[in-house]
Amino acid sequence: GAVVSQHPSWVICKSGTSVKIECRSLDFQATTMFWYRQFPKQSLMLMATSNEGSKATYEQGVEKDKFLINHASLTLSTLTVTSAHPEDSSFYICSAAWGTGANVLTFGAGSRLTVL
Amino acid sequence: AQKVTQAQTEISVVEKEDVTLDCVYETRDTTYYLFWYKQPPSGELVFLIRRNSFDEQNEISGRYSWNFQKSTSSFNFTITASQVVDSAVYFCALSGYNQGGKLIFGQGTELSVKP
Repeated sequence: GAVVSQHPSWVICKSGTSVKIECRSLDFQATTMFWYRQFPKQSLMLMATSNEGSKATYEQGVEKDKFLINHASLTLSTLTVTSAHPEDSSFYICSAAWGTGANVLTFGAGSRLTVL
Repeated sequence: AQKVTQAQTEISVVEKEDVTLDCVYETRDTTYYLFWYKQPPSGELVFLIRRNSFDEQNEISGRYSWNFQKSTSSFNFTITASQVVDSAVYFCALSGYNQGGKLIFGQGTELSVKP
């Protein structure tokens, strides 16, 4: 149980295009999902907290207009990288919180974005 | 502010050696959770352990063991009789009790186990 599906696992796009990444909880309802970004050889940095039915909370330094997050249902959150540029190339990974106090976490397998 | 420090950037050992990965954390919360994750080259995060701040008992799971010491704010991870398959990046992470699963990660330690 407690599986999070993240899609696509990898994507290559041209500079200037937008890319959507989905994070879906398959067998549980996730009131909160988190989006992290990881550059090569670096740690995971929290980008934003996504709550179902409300606006996402972005971490300092993360452009909300560039990284659009939508959490329209209890099982799906999406991250859209708008007008992607090469510097947005990174590994994006989501997690879903559930359980008492929402402190049980399940991570998706991650999405590797390469912007040419 | 919360912070997790993994001072060891890279560790290289020979198979069957024991290895300890250090993790030191900072938090003002009285209740919090500590985690260890393994990240193989594929990138996915593999959950290893979650520890509540009130539970200072050491834990052993097969070749893995964890030493949690609140007095020194450390949560170290030891692999006994390391194997090549243990090669990966290991992350220590911290979450406040009321933060709903928001994790602060350490910088990660890249472990290389050579045959």
